[in-house]
Amino acid sequence: TQLLEQSPQFLSIQEGENLTVYCNSSSVFSSLQWYRQEPGEGPVLLVTVVTGGEVKKLKRLTFQFGDARKDSSLHITAAQPGDTGLYLCAGERDYKLSFGAGTTVTVRA
Amino acid sequence: EAEVAQSPRYKITEKSQAVAFWCDPISGHATLYWYRQILGQGPELLVQFQDESVVDDSQLPKDRFSAERLKGVDSTLKIQPAELGDSAMYLCASSPGQGRPNTGELFFGEGSRLTVL
Repeated sequence: TQLLEQSPQFLSIQEGENLTVYCNSSSVFSSLQWYRQEPGEGPVLLVTVVTGGEVKKLKRLTFQFGDARKDSSLHITAAQPGDTGLYLCAGERDYKLSFGAGTTVTVRA
Repeated sequence: EAEVAQSPRYKITEKSQAVAFWCDPISGHATLYWYRQILGQGPELLVQFQDESVVDDSQLPKDRFSAERLKGVDSTLKIQPAELGDSAMYLCASSPGQGRPNTGELFFGEGSRLTVL
């Protein structure tokens, strides 16, 4: 059983549309990280959120950490084909980092 | 820009054979991780080193997997004997963190993709 549940598992949208990816758990995390992984490559960190209710923006990407620090979301505005990839959330708890199964996002031109 | 180096990128082997993966972390990074990622799933931690010491190997199948980081720099992950279910991407990551993956970033290598026939 995954400590972090990500949804949806797959998402395919047209260029210019918006999308939201969710990361949920029944556990409280000290911090939560979001990574993007492209095929055949290792994950690359996008952002780390630490404080409950925190919102961080990275260009067209908006990350939110839930007030109770159990969940997080990633929202992409006006998606572009370059946003295509596997989005992974990872939560730190008891000095360990656990990954979710990821959401595969495909943005069609 | 400094990177985590891994080799080989691809490895095909027959079941019951031995296989080894090598990782060279970013210079100065004290913490090194080996993750296994099965297609369609997130990375699963196999072993975490702080310098040359193992700090977490609770998910490492010790009957067939071994890992070492003798001088606290590069590391080797070995599987013997390989089984069909070991087919996966093996990712190495490093961080400057002192023993705990706090809010610091994990830097991943490109991975070693293993196929066991």
